[in-house]
Amino acid sequence: DGGITQSPKYLFRKEGQNVTLSCEQNLNHDAMYWYRQDPGQGLRLIYYSQIVNDFQKGDIAEGYSVSREKKESFPLTVTSAQKNPTAFYLCASSSRRTENTGELFFGEGSRLTVL
Amino acid sequence: AQSVAQPEDQVNVAEGNPLTVKCTYSVSGNPYLFWYVQYPNRGLQFLLKYITGDNLVKGSYGFEAEFNKSQTSFHLKKPSALVSDSALYFCAVRDYHFYSGNTPLVFGKGTRLSVIA
Repeated sequence: DGGITQSPKYLFRKEGQNVTLSCEQNLNHDAMYWYRQDPGQGLRLIYYSQIVNDFQKGDIAEGYSVSREKKESFPLTVTSAQKNPTAFYLCASSSRRTENTGELFFGEGSRLTVL
Repeated sequence: AQSVAQPEDQVNVAEGNPLTVKCTYSVSGNPYLFWYVQYPNRGLQFLLKYITGDNLVKGSYGFEAEFNKSQTSFHLKKPSALVSDSALYFCAVRDYHFYSGNTPLVFGKGTRLSVIA
C-alpha cells in the first residue's frame, strides 16, 4: 500500500545525544515536511523540501537538521542543540499536482522523549 | 504572514446534536483552507478543503465546512455528531500568490471535540 512510514514510533534519548527520525514515502511525492506537535501548540513547521537536494527552514528549525538525497526519504536529526526536544514529530508529503492546493499526507508520527 | 485561529480548545456536544468547530484565518493573498482530524497517537487525516467555488464544502465522514470571506472564517460542521467523532481537529491555511507560488501549510492549535453518548 502507498503511504508514509515513520520510524521509530517511540524513541527515548539521553540529554546530549543526537537522534535521527526516519521518514519514507512511496507515493512519488515531490514535497516533504517535518512538523513538531506539542500539547496546546498545534503543529509547527521545522523543515520542508520541495525537491531532491533542496530544503528550507520552517518556523522552528534551530537544533534540527535534515537531508533530501532521495525523493522517497527525508530524515530529521534532532541534535543536542535542541533545548526541548521531547515532542511528537510528524512527517508529511504532497504531490506536485496537489501542492498548490495544499493537501498533505501524514505519517503516523514519532514520539521522542528525552530522559 | 498567514495565520489561523481556533478560539476553542475544547468543544463538548451530545451525540445526535449538531456540532460546530470554529476557525478564522488571516492571509494576504487567496486562502486555501483545510480541516484535518487526529486520533490519539496517530497522524493527521485530511477531511476537506476549500480552494474556490461554492462556499459550502462537503468532506469525509459527513463533515462540511462553510467559507465566509467577509468574516474570514471556515467553520467545520456536522448535522448529527457521533461518539466516534471525538478527536482533535485542526484548521489549516495556505496563502497562495499567483506569481510567487505557494507557501507551506500553517496549522491552528487544534480543538478537541468530545461527543458524549
